[in-house]
Amino acid sequence: AQSVTQLGSHVSVSEGALVLLRCNYSSSVPPYLFWYVQYPNQGLQLLLKYTSAATLVKGINGFEAEFKKSETSFHLTKPSAHMSDAAEYFCAVSDGQGGKLIFGQGTELSVKP
Amino acid sequence: GAGVSQSPSNKVTEKGKDVELRCDPISGHTALYWYRQSLGQGLEFLIYFQGNSAPDKSGLPSDRFSAERTGGSVSTLTIQRTQQEDSAVYLCASSHRSSGGADTQYFGPGTRLTVL
Repeated sequence: AQSVTQLGSHVSVSEGALVLLRCNYSSSVPPYLFWYVQYPNQGLQLLLKYTSAATLVKGINGFEAEFKKSETSFHLTKPSAHMSDAAEYFCAVSDGQGGKLIFGQGTELSVKP
Repeated sequence: GAGVSQSPSNKVTEKGKDVELRCDPISGHTALYWYRQSLGQGLEFLIYFQGNSAPDKSGLPSDRFSAERTGGSVSTLTIQRTQQEDSAVYLCASSHRSSGGADTQYFGPGTRLTVL
């Protein structure tokens, strides 16, 4: 069975600093992995996804993530945080069959001026 | 184009009442998913519809929960005899379902259900 663990329920960075949000997965098959962002009182928006092509995946708003099979990780990074990046971020793995998503617990990102 | 829409955006009900939540997927999307987001449980899968296939109901927490999808489009999630633990945000998502588990799911804004 697939599962996802996000390390850190809350991360705080200064504006302009590196953003690193951690995600580790468990999957018995080659995984499809996703990062979604949720702004207050809104639905989830896809940032990026890994589908077994390039291991370094670039997404929207300057975010990227690297799939590392040996570490079973799919950490999300952004070189320079912006105030508008403050939101909750969810890592998810697809079950590969029906496509239902199994989500991590989420990481709330705060950006300090 | 139009995204996934859900109604109502907020619903307050009394314990024991039935509620219906509606989801309008993106036109042409064959797959439709319901998830629940709550403080204690995070984001949980509830049910999945794909075309005319039997739905995957494996995530429904009890037999008080049911869902249907009419005409391959609009879906309704029904919760009977609501309990306080049903309070959560119910999210609907749809996708093309063309590349297996790699499809992008597009989420609606959710319905916030409060059971008093």
